[in-house]
Amino acid sequence: EIVLTQSPATLSVSPGERATLSCRASQTVSSYLAWYQQKPGQAPRLLIYDASNRATGVPARFSGSGSGTDFTLTISSLEPEDFAVYYCQQRSVWPNTFGQGTRLEIK
Amino acid sequence: EVQLVESGGGLVQPGGSLKLSCAASGFTFSSYSMNWIRQAPGKGLEWVSYIGSGSSTIYYADSVKGRFTISRDNAKKFLYLQMNSLRADDTAVYYCAKDGGIGLSWGQGTQVTVSS
Repeated sequence: EIVLTQSPATLSVSPGERATLSCRASQTVSSYLAWYQQKPGQAPRLLIYDASNRATGVPARFSGSGSGTDFTLTISSLEPEDFAVYYCQQRSVWPNTFGQGTRLEIK
Repeated sequence: EVQLVESGGGLVQPGGSLKLSCAASGFTFSSYSMNWIRQAPGKGLEWVSYIGSGSSTIYYADSVKGRFTISRDNAKKFLYLQMNSLRADDTAVYYCAKDGGIGLSWGQGTQVTVSS
């Protein structure tokens, strides 16, 4: 089973600043990595697929990069609605595992 | 618009059974693979099970293998999860999710609580 390790566990950033979230895989997943956003009491929402492609309706301030084992989700200028928990998921091999999440909180 | 509505959750005693349902609309259900994913209280996401569009391919997480059974009815546009021999650590919100080939679209979830 591929283990995804997200860092940091919690990230404190001020609105308007940049946030950088990391996801590292225990073995290569090529570019088959997705990012999801989850707000309290809500289901997760797909943000990024295939490492760097924004899902429909996702604002341009969200971007993804990486391939192989190291991936990054960047939010260029944080809006109040961006403070949430973010999960990565590898879709390369079964089981399609999730990282443990990064909580993005207001500084 | 994709709509996924889960039902069937509730309180069940350890060792008991429960069957979850997921009603799908807004897309051609029979063309897409589906998943069940769960989230224990205050915890992260755990993939539980996958079923291909024609039901010929099925996967389970090791934690539920032999106890849970995924199925679907393409004519009725429903996804199911039969859960037997339930344990306390199965307590979670259970989400059904459409697999679009690039990522998942999620329902709002149904709460399953296993407790005596």
